[in-house]
Amino acid sequence: QSALTQPASVSGSPGQSITISCTGTTSDVGTYNLVSWYQQHPGKAPKLLIYEVSKRPSGVSNRFSGSKSGNTASLTISGLQAEDEADYSCSSYGNFTFLVVFGGGTKLTVL
Amino acid sequence: QVQLVQSGAEVKKPGASVKVSCKASEYTFTDFYIHWVRQAPGQGLEWMGRISPKSGGTNIAQIFQGRVTMTRDTSISTAYMELSRLRSDDTAVYYCARDGSSAARLPLWYFDVWGRGTLVSV
Repeated sequence: QSALTQPASVSGSPGQSITISCTGTTSDVGTYNLVSWYQQHPGKAPKLLIYEVSKRPSGVSNRFSGSKSGNTASLTISGLQAEDEADYSCSSYGNFTFLVVFGGGTKLTVL
Repeated sequence: QVQLVQSGAEVKKPGASVKVSCKASEYTFTDFYIHWVRQAPGQGLEWMGRISPKSGGTNIAQIFQGRVTMTRDTSISTAYMELSRLRSDDTAVYYCARDGSSAARLPLWYFDVWGRGTLVSV
């Protein structure tokens, strides 16, 4: 069982927007603006998409955006493309057990 | 370009130990923490700990304390993660990842460069 809760799957059609939620607690997401998001294609290493809740590394498309409200962070992907089909995981600075906690991952299907 | 190159896949028997290496290139190795993250088959990512390549100091996740040792060799820009007393549920892909913020600054707890992963089968 992961420390952060994400939906197991989401889907959308090309061109649409989707949002993936990531729910934590006041010990992690709710207290620290240290949420990041990763994209992972099958058999590949994760790739950083978003850090510090809403910042994008250079080279990451502006179709990816992040936000946070209370104990829940969100990743929005606009203008869905076929190559966006992948697993998406959130992480946050966390509690004393794990300094970094991850969500269980969300599989995005582009219909 | 900046990259982390990991050692190859391992097959181990229960009770044995495994040591995975992670060689950094195209940046100053001692400037950024190295983290270790694992992913069991079909499961999510799990943070194991981090090492300061500069000082050798480590922070190990509580559930791995006593079984995980993280070390580094600055002369060859390589970090190591050793997991002992292996069990079948340690079967996973083990990744090393570079911390996104310089070790000279406050940690920001995200990972901007990842190795390709090392499959450890127990």
